[in-house]
Amino acid sequence: SAVISQKPSRDICQRGTSLTIQCQVDSQVTMMFWYRQQPGQSLTLIATANQGSEATYESGFVIDKFPISRPNLTFSTLTVSNMSPEDSSIYLCSVDHPALTDTQYFGPGTRLTVL
Amino acid sequence: AQSVAQPEDQVNVAEGNPLTVKCTYSVSGNPYLFWYVQYPNRGLQFLLKYITGDNLVKGSYGFEAEFNKSQTSFHLKKPSALVSDSALYFCAVRASNDYKLSFGAGTTVTVRA
Repeated sequence: SAVISQKPSRDICQRGTSLTIQCQVDSQVTMMFWYRQQPGQSLTLIATANQGSEATYESGFVIDKFPISRPNLTFSTLTVSNMSPEDSSIYLCSVDHPALTDTQYFGPGTRLTVL
Repeated sequence: AQSVAQPEDQVNVAEGNPLTVKCTYSVSGNPYLFWYVQYPNRGLQFLLKYITGDNLVKGSYGFEAEFNKSQTSFHLKKPSALVSDSALYFCAVRASNDYKLSFGAGTTVTVRA
């Protein structure tokens, strides 16, 4: 399986500030995904990030709030902007497995608490 | 639209007993079905998947799942549960022509010693 790392693993932030989460994969992948898991909830897809193109956002998520970068085939960032306590969640990146393109593998997640 | 239902928020079993976690799905066309497990303060780990072929699929840690097209179900099973199987389990589905995964609400499994 692909090895995926995320930084930071957790953070506590003040409202109104922004946090950038990094996702690094040990192999080149076409598609990377960002999910949000609110406390006690399931996973919700925020956006899909393909290298060389703008991210595609799901309904309810906008680029101004969650800007995404995808500078190469092994790296992506998600920024949570102008944070409020409602943004407190676990944020996970995932990738399509490079050899098994029908399976998504997930990073360890970033646990964000906004005060 | 596609969706997944996990009707049980929690499943409690004794160690050594069979474990079943239920999942039903709705999707247009042929389904790709997945089970993931999430341990506390960890990301999601892939357990197994059904794409095509044999309806009974085997995965990691002794888990298996059976695809039932007529009942649109994909229940996760383990013949003999371990305390270490205690975790949050997610069922997910995607259509064969789409990359987007839809997740169920999750089922918390507790295996008591």
